[in-house]
Amino acid sequence: DIQMTQSPSSVSASVGDRVTITCRASQDIRTYLAWFHQKTGQAPKSLIYAASTLQSGVPSKFNGSGSGTDFTLTISDLQPEDSTTFYCQQYSTYLWTFGQGTRVEI
Amino acid sequence: EVQLVQSGAEVKKPGESLKISCKGNGYSFTTKWISWVRQMPGKGLEWMGRINPSDSYTNYSPSLQGHVIISVDKSISTVFLQWSSLKTSDSAIYYCSRHTEGVSDYWGQGTLVTVST
Repeated sequence: DIQMTQSPSSVSASVGDRVTITCRASQDIRTYLAWFHQKTGQAPKSLIYAASTLQSGVPSKFNGSGSGTDFTLTISDLQPEDSTTFYCQQYSTYLWTFGQGTRVEI
Repeated sequence: EVQLVQSGAEVKKPGESLKISCKGNGYSFTTKWISWVRQMPGKGLEWMGRINPSDSYTNYSPSLQGHVIISVDKSISTVFLQWSSLKTSDSAIYYCSRHTEGVSDYWGQGTLVTVST
């Protein structure tokens, strides 16, 4: 299985700040990397696929980058509604695996 | 509008069987794979398996192979996840998601399954 490791596990920020979350794969996944976020008690929502492509309707304040084993998600102009948990996920192999999540508190 | 609508919460006893559902609306159902993802209480996301609704081809996470079955009824645009003998460790929220470009784009609202004596 490909292991996905996110850091930090949690981060506290203020309104208007920019936050960067990193995700590291245990082996090369090229750009088969997606990002999701999940508010407490709600279903996940898809943000980014192919490491840097925004899903339809996702605002440009979310920016993904990286390839191979190292990836980042940057969230700009943080707002209270961005208080969620973010997950990365690799889909390089049939056995999808997720990172453990990064909780962002505003 | 694309929607995945899941069946409601369930409370079961260990050893009982269960089948939950995920109905796809607003798109051509047989053209998009569906995955099931588990979230145990207070934990992260875990991929369980996927199905191609056009031909019912499935694959599963090795850790769950043999414990769950994913199936489809194309006539009602619905994918199912079923257990023949539940365990208390199956207590979780189960999400279905649709694939586009090989990855999830739309998600169902989740089905809470509680297995308790």
